[in-house]
Amino acid sequence: SQQGEEDPQALSIQEGENATMNCSYKTSINNLQWYRQNSGRGLVHLILIRSNEREKHSGRLRVTLDTSKKSSSLLITASRAADTASYFCATDGSSNTGKLIFGQGTTLQVKP
Amino acid sequence: DSGVTQTPKHLITATGQRVTLRCSPRSGDLSVYWYQQSLDQGLQFLIQYYNGEERAKGNILERFSAQQFPDLHSELNLSSLELGDSALYFCASSPQGQGAYEQYFGPGTRLTVT
Repeated sequence: SQQGEEDPQALSIQEGENATMNCSYKTSINNLQWYRQNSGRGLVHLILIRSNEREKHSGRLRVTLDTSKKSSSLLITASRAADTASYFCATDGSSNTGKLIFGQGTTLQVKP
Repeated sequence: DSGVTQTPKHLITATGQRVTLRCSPRSGDLSVYWYQQSLDQGLQFLIQYYNGEERAKGNILERFSAQQFPDLHSELNLSSLELGDSALYFCASSPQGQGAYEQYFGPGTRLTVT
């Protein structure tokens, strides 16, 4: 079964608003990553946060990680219509391989 | 463009058949990963190869097999196909074999089993 659970499953906002997606996982991790997928296309890496980091920024993205609660959140600020996509968190399950365990994703719709 | 190529883009075949999906990783990447994405199972890790050797195995059926060749391209073989094997199959690559690296995904192969 997938390790990550994401909340909400779907989110609809207006352009310019902020979007927050949450991810919970079950086992310990070394790293947590967020990916974006436009409809039916390949995934695009957004950001990687290590287990000893609490927060990371990349442009309009802010990711937080709380290993005590086994949860992470992705904040997209000042959203644009082009941000419409599905967003997935993925963990490595503290393995020493590259295997990623994905959540079921949050579908974000940004209305112009 | 991630630099990862996958062929074919679409594949329609009948139950019981066998197909081969092909993946070329980004130049310089040693690890190749295969994932299956379906509506009911979501994104599932199948298998990882690192520099020609199997590195990790996930929920890969016995009817499925993969290999990575000396030029680092990889093939995923699916045999005795069933309707439930219809899905998007993604290949990804990364420079090394550990999870500390982002993975670069190909555009996927959409397999339809009729």
